[in-house]
Amino acid sequence: NAGVMQNPRHLVRRRGQEARLRCSPMKGHSHVYWYRQLPEEGLKFMVYLQKENIIDESGMPKERFSAEFPKEGPSILRIQQVVRGDSAAYFCASSNRALNTGELFFGEGSRLTVL
Amino acid sequence: GESVGLHLPTLSVQEGDNSIINCAYSNSASDYFIWYKQESGKGPQFIIDIRSNMDKRQGQRVTVLLNKTVKHLSLQIAATQPGDSAVYFCAENPGANSKLTFGKGITLSVRP
Repeated sequence: NAGVMQNPRHLVRRRGQEARLRCSPMKGHSHVYWYRQLPEEGLKFMVYLQKENIIDESGMPKERFSAEFPKEGPSILRIQQVVRGDSAAYFCASSNRALNTGELFFGEGSRLTVL
Repeated sequence: GESVGLHLPTLSVQEGDNSIINCAYSNSASDYFIWYKQESGKGPQFIIDIRSNMDKRQGQRVTVLLNKTVKHLSLQIAATQPGDSAVYFCAENPGANSKLTFGKGITLSVRP
């Protein structure tokens, strides 16, 4: 029973480059959430996706950030033209909405460092 | 605005003592609450949850108390162990779309 898998675990980018973070939800989960965590801070909601649909992107910055969850394959969080302020840990979580427990299962995170 | 916050940023306890971590929430529509534990370099792990129709829920060594009147949530850890050292987050869910809102987190440090 594999949990939520995120890769890469660590990613270093220079300013202006692109970062792609991948998330494979738990088996049987069709709901994916992305959260961002700055050092010494809590988790901030970014986006909630279902297969092929963005349900809630109210936490996503208006520019440079995008997310997708295709019918096949992992969910992708894409950050274009990264800036130093994008340095953070990005966590993916999944749930089985049918259970309606609200509990999210988190991955180990992808830590982005922008030089 | 909606917010979930924690009263204290750090808590230091002696091994074997009981720990109490407190959390305030402001969204009176929230009907589901979760405590997560996050160890250094890892993702948050579920500890215990409680729905708004309950005042108390117990797990293994942990108890969550919910006071809806004052919108307060607490996590009690019995016989705190070194392995309990971590950052603890409370999170609330208004119930509409399972979008959890997290508090800032409190660091629990267990002294040997």
